[in-house]
Amino acid sequence: EAGVTQSPTHLIKTRGQQVTLRCSPISGHTSVYWYQQALGLGLQFLLWYDEGEERNRGNFPPRFSGRQFPNYSSELNVNALELEDSALYLCASSIGMSYGYTFGSGTRLTVV
Amino acid sequence: EDQVTQSPEALRLQEGESSSLNCSYTVSGLRGLFWYRQDPGKGPEFLFTLYSAGEEKEKERLKATLTKKESFLHITAPKPEDSATYLCAVQANIQGAQKLVFGQGTRLTINP
Repeated sequence: EAGVTQSPTHLIKTRGQQVTLRCSPISGHTSVYWYQQALGLGLQFLLWYDEGEERNRGNFPPRFSGRQFPNYSSELNVNALELEDSALYLCASSIGMSYGYTFGSGTRLTVV
Repeated sequence: EDQVTQSPEALRLQEGESSSLNCSYTVSGLRGLFWYRQDPGKGPEFLFTLYSAGEEKEKERLKATLTKKESFLHITAPKPEDSATYLCAVQANIQGAQKLVFGQGTRLTINP
């Protein structure tokens, strides 16, 4: 069974640019969660999508946004990139909260 | 406010030297406590879910226990391959939505 896949694995962007990160959940999982893990910091909750709808978002500015497609894959968009957006962005999927999350390997974003 | 605190931040052990990692939490109505292992540059890997005080789960050299206010991850006779960051997370109801709140992690190093 394929796990959660994220693309790209690494990318470098310039401050002020926009970036789109992609995530494909495990087959059968309808919920997708996005987390930011900056260097030396814990996982910070960004967004939760379920059945195509945004269910909750963390304490991040509106330039962080996303969507979930009918096949349950998801995109995370970050506009007007800032240096402090440099982090590992992790996507996770779940069939239900009680079963925990399965994480992808993440996208390492570097903003210069 | 729902919080998860892990200690110590870092722990260095000799191969075979057993120890415990701590995760203390304050959450209104615990629905589940999760332990993950994270290797550098990778996404977290699910280890255990605990639901009620007194519950224990085991996997190889790892055993997780849960009380009403904290959880312990016991590592028995660790090997160098157990070196990783161990993350604790609690399932919380925040603003009417369920999500996982993560601690900062304990970075474990096992020296041969």
